Amino acid sequence: GESVGLHLPTLSVQEGDNSIINCAYSNSASDYFIWYKQESGKGPQFIIDIRSNMDKRQGQRVTVLLNKTVKHLSLQIAATQPGDSAVYFCAENIVGNTPLVFGKGTRLSVIA
Amino acid sequence: GAVVSQHPSWVICKSGTSVKIECRSLDFQATTMFWYRQFPKQSLMLMATSNEGSKATYEQGVEKDKFLINHASLTLSTLTVTSAHPEDSSFYICSAPLTGTGELFFGEGSRLTVL
Repeated sequence: GESVGLHLPTLSVQEGDNSIINCAYSNSASDYFIWYKQESGKGPQFIIDIRSNMDKRQGQRVTVLLNKTVKHLSLQIAATQPGDSAVYFCAENIVGNTPLVFGKGTRLSVIA
Repeated sequence: GAVVSQHPSWVICKSGTSVKIECRSLDFQATTMFWYRQFPKQSLMLMATSNEGSKATYEQGVEKDKFLINHASLTLSTLTVTSAHPEDSSFYICSAPLTGTGELFFGEGSRLTVL
């Protein structure tokens, strides 16, 4: 992979506030991006994805923004809840049978 | 949705022994599966790409003789950690793309602890 995992940064937010998690991706040729949520001891769980022909996509309480100019991806979580506490990873690949390359994650801690 | 299952979910073994981890696609066929390793507080790192009917492709720095991969069928890939050592202790996760969409599904992971 091209992205190297380091110790995770942490984002702490109050319950009910909005959260913004950022990710810088590595490969300018990537055309597919995914946000995953990982709870302790579990595998990654799909949250939302976006293709490179879009710059914004909304789901339920979540929005992903893509800025290809600066190779930046963000995940916005509205009205953050305690159940949102987890580690969040962005991942990128070129559509097809190519593996995902994961960015370094961000630990989200929701303060009740 | 499609399901990928891993077994065992947690294994503890003695140093020097070998451990096999299975990855199964339960309701779809996967000609390709990906194996990742995740150390504590770190991201997922791709180890190898498992290909049904052919040899696995390993990422740079991953020893193919230590991490044996066998893609025995269209629904099963196995990762065998041979002569495990404490530094091999990690969380191993597999994923499989759904044919057609390419959407990736992840297993729940297998935590290996080598004593």
